[in-house]
Amino acid sequence: AQSVTQLDSQVPVFEEAPVELRCNYSSSVSVYLFWYVQYPNQGLQLLLKYLSGSTLVKGINGFEAEFNKSQTSFHLRKPSVHISDTAEYFCAVSATKHAGNMLTFGGGTRLMVKP
Amino acid sequence: NAGVTQTPKFQVLKTGQSMTLQCAQDMNHEYMSWYRQDPGMGLRLIHYSVGAGITDQGEVPNGYNVSRSTTEDFPLRLLSAAPSQTSVYFCASRTTGEGANVLTFGAGSRLTVL
Repeated sequence: AQSVTQLDSQVPVFEEAPVELRCNYSSSVSVYLFWYVQYPNQGLQLLLKYLSGSTLVKGINGFEAEFNKSQTSFHLRKPSVHISDTAEYFCAVSATKHAGNMLTFGGGTRLMVKP
Repeated sequence: NAGVTQTPKFQVLKTGQSMTLQCAQDMNHEYMSWYRQDPGMGLRLIHYSVGAGITDQGEVPNGYNVSRSTTEDFPLRLLSAAPSQTSVYFCASRTTGEGANVLTFGAGSRLTVL
């Protein structure tokens, strides 16, 4: 079984400032890691994923995340945010060898970008 | 390409009523799943299916039934609704196999049980 902890439920930030959304996971097996974004009144969209290879993963809209196996973290970063980045962000994990590959989600972080 | 389509978008029920949330996908995905989203709890898996005729329980299956008679459809049934089932429900699908973990989500169904 695995679990995901998103350490901040809300992150307020001014436009054009950098932001980091934190994610830590727990698992006894190898995992795949994901960040999804949910804009108001919409479903979730994939932002980026880590399956293997380079630990620095680049996603859409200028976001990137770094997989740190020793710290079991997968923090999401953006060097300069826009008002349009206001949304809820979910970190998720799945075991690489599970037949159903079920995704386990964190509680979400609401990013609020202020002008 | 419609992706994952959920109906209805909104529903209000009284305690004890039954209803079915519909989910259809046109991507020929083997894997389909239902999640519920509650504030501060992220998304929790209710039921999932890895193919037609095969279903299994997720993290919070109590009070919900599913069936998978075709590849395209995966309805979620509430047999006797309770206020604790007030939530936003998301259907999601993907292909199966090694590395194929990217879920495509529907737009959600907001259910209120009075």
